[in-house]
Amino acid sequence: EAGVTQFPSHSVIEKGQTVTLRCDPISGHDNLYWYRRVMGKEIKFLLHFVKESKQDESGMPNNRFLAERTGGTYSTLKVQPAELEDSGVYFCASSQDLDSRGGETQYFGPGTRLLVL
Amino acid sequence: AQSVTQLGSHVSVSEGALVLLRCNYSSSVPPYLFWYVQYPNQGLQLLLKYTSAATLVKGINGFEAEFKKSETSFHLTKPSAHMSDAAEYFCAVSSNAGKSTFGDGTTLTVKP
Repeated sequence: EAGVTQFPSHSVIEKGQTVTLRCDPISGHDNLYWYRRVMGKEIKFLLHFVKESKQDESGMPNNRFLAERTGGTYSTLKVQPAELEDSGVYFCASSQDLDSRGGETQYFGPGTRLLVL
Repeated sequence: AQSVTQLGSHVSVSEGALVLLRCNYSSSVPPYLFWYVQYPNQGLQLLLKYTSAATLVKGINGFEAEFKKSETSFHLTKPSAHMSDAAEYFCAVSSNAGKSTFGDGTTLTVKP
């Protein structure tokens, strides 16, 4: 069974440009998460989808970030316009069943390394 | 609110020596706790997780961690380090549906 995949693996763009990251979760996983790690700091939660609905988007930094999950399958995270501080590694994770206390196992993708110049 | 503190951003051990990576957490409700490992250019891989069953949790690759409520700790150990254990390790806590809070990570170096 394929794991969580992310595309692209690396992206280098200039400040002000737009970048779209894609995540394909494990087939059958209703829960999809986006996280970000900026320059060696902690990995921070961005948002959580349950199927196509945004369950929690409390970690989205600002309105330059737009996440979608059409049809409840793959998800995209668009940054428009990108700023220097958006550089980092963007991880996607998916899980099958949601434990209301948070104990379900999340499976992570390899991440997209974004560099904004 | 929940938070995680990993003591030591870099830990270096000799091959065959004990590995001890420290993690302290803060959570307003009984937590679920996780250790992940990240090898270069790979995603996060779950090593083990604590879900309120046994306080001593055994994971993959010979790692284990002990949940100590009184110390709010969940330290990761391995009796004998192997060169292949060199990686970055993350401790995480989850006490709300879905969202995990991570520590800053600890890079483990294993010297021959």
